Amino acid sequence: AQSVTQLDSQVPVFEEAPVELRCNYSSSVSVYLFWYVQYPNQGLQLLLKYLSGSTLVKGINGFEAEFNKSQTSFHLRKPSVHISDTAEYFCAVMHSGTYKYIFGTGTRLKVLA
Amino acid sequence: NAGVTQTPKFQVLKTGQSMTLQCAQDMNHNSMYWYRQDPGMGLRLIYYSASEGTTDKGEVPNGYNVSRLNKREFSLRLESAAPSQTSVYFCASSVAGMENQPQHFGDGTRLSIL
Repeated sequence: AQSVTQLDSQVPVFEEAPVELRCNYSSSVSVYLFWYVQYPNQGLQLLLKYLSGSTLVKGINGFEAEFNKSQTSFHLRKPSVHISDTAEYFCAVMHSGTYKYIFGTGTRLKVLA
Repeated sequence: NAGVTQTPKFQVLKTGQSMTLQCAQDMNHNSMYWYRQDPGMGLRLIYYSASEGTTDKGEVPNGYNVSRLNKREFSLRLESAAPSQTSVYFCASSVAGMENQPQHFGDGTRLSIL
């Protein structure tokens, strides 16, 4: 079965420290990969997406992610986090030939002062 | 820029009552989706509409019905609400015919079933 795994349900990190949020997927077909952010009481907003080409993808708010096909991973990174980055982050996979996402269970990033 | 608008934002129902959640988008998108979000489970697809006039079941369709009223609007109906349907419901839309396009989400409807 196709799935998306976000192993860390919560990640606390101090302000200005680097962070990595992990995402692994299982699929036997081509995929498109996305990271979304959800602030409290809001819907999801697109951070970045990987469709093809360069495996390092840059998104909004200083976030980037690297697609690793051999490890079936798409980890999200930021070199220096801010208090305002506190939110829940979702990894999502869309399989080639479909119009549907499979979402991971989310990672709550809490940035500490 | 309204984007995707969901109404109501909050609702409390009693078991057995019926309710329709409304969703409208103003981005001329063809595809629309309904998800539910539960703690520790991420977002799960309930129903989707790839284009006006078509609807398909997602991962968790039981207990729900949908109507694609026109290109802009996609409603979700609970005929007989159950406590297990307490959740946050999100509507989303995307450009159709381009499978790698991101979805745009509304702010959600928080539904409690007593």
